[in-house]
Amino acid sequence: KAGVTQTPRYLIKTRGQQVTLSCSPISGHRSVSWYQQTPGQGLQFLFEYFSETQRNKGNFPGRFSGRQFSNSRSEMNVSTLELGDSALYLCASRPGGTDTQYFGPGTRLTVL
Amino acid sequence: GQQVMQIPQYQHVQEGEDFTTYCNSSTTLSNIQWYKQRPGGHPVFLIQLVKSGEVKKQKRLTFQFGEAKKNSSLHITATQTTDVGTYFCASNFGNEKLTFGTGTRLTIIP
Repeated sequence: KAGVTQTPRYLIKTRGQQVTLSCSPISGHRSVSWYQQTPGQGLQFLFEYFSETQRNKGNFPGRFSGRQFSNSRSEMNVSTLELGDSALYLCASRPGGTDTQYFGPGTRLTVL
Repeated sequence: GQQVMQIPQYQHVQEGEDFTTYCNSSTTLSNIQWYKQRPGGHPVFLIQLVKSGEVKKQKRLTFQFGEAKKNSSLHITATQTTDVGTYFCASNFGNEKLTFGTGTRLTIIP
């Protein structure tokens, strides 16, 4: 099976802009989670989607949002970008009945 | 809040030496997972422990879950250059939101 894919892999934006990141889970995985990874804060949970519904949400401002489509693909959106949003955004999917997360390669977002 | 503390933050070892990283929680964990992230890569699942006192081995890696299910450790015997990376523990504390430890970055000195 193909692994989790994320697009784009790299992105440069300026403050105030918005960005949309995409994630395609492993075939058959219906749960998709998003994480933000920074040197200072480590790996932080953003949100999880299952069957197009958000099931869990981390402690991030409302500028961070996401959605999941009927084919389990997911997108996350960050509006009004700030310098502190520069990070590696990781998407992970998991099969039903397990806690194991399978991570994608991530999208490296740089905000200038 | 629910947190998993991980120590040490950094570890530099000579190739062939052993390495251990520890995870601690103030609350009982329903399970503990371990992930490895190579430099420039993404976290890769290594193992999950669920039972109190559980010990699992993967070749040179030994994973332990404490009797009180509040701590865990990962021990690598005779490190190799391929072991370089950051090791994370993680737990969902009984819900589906996975909380990661701060990670231990392992550097190998050849």
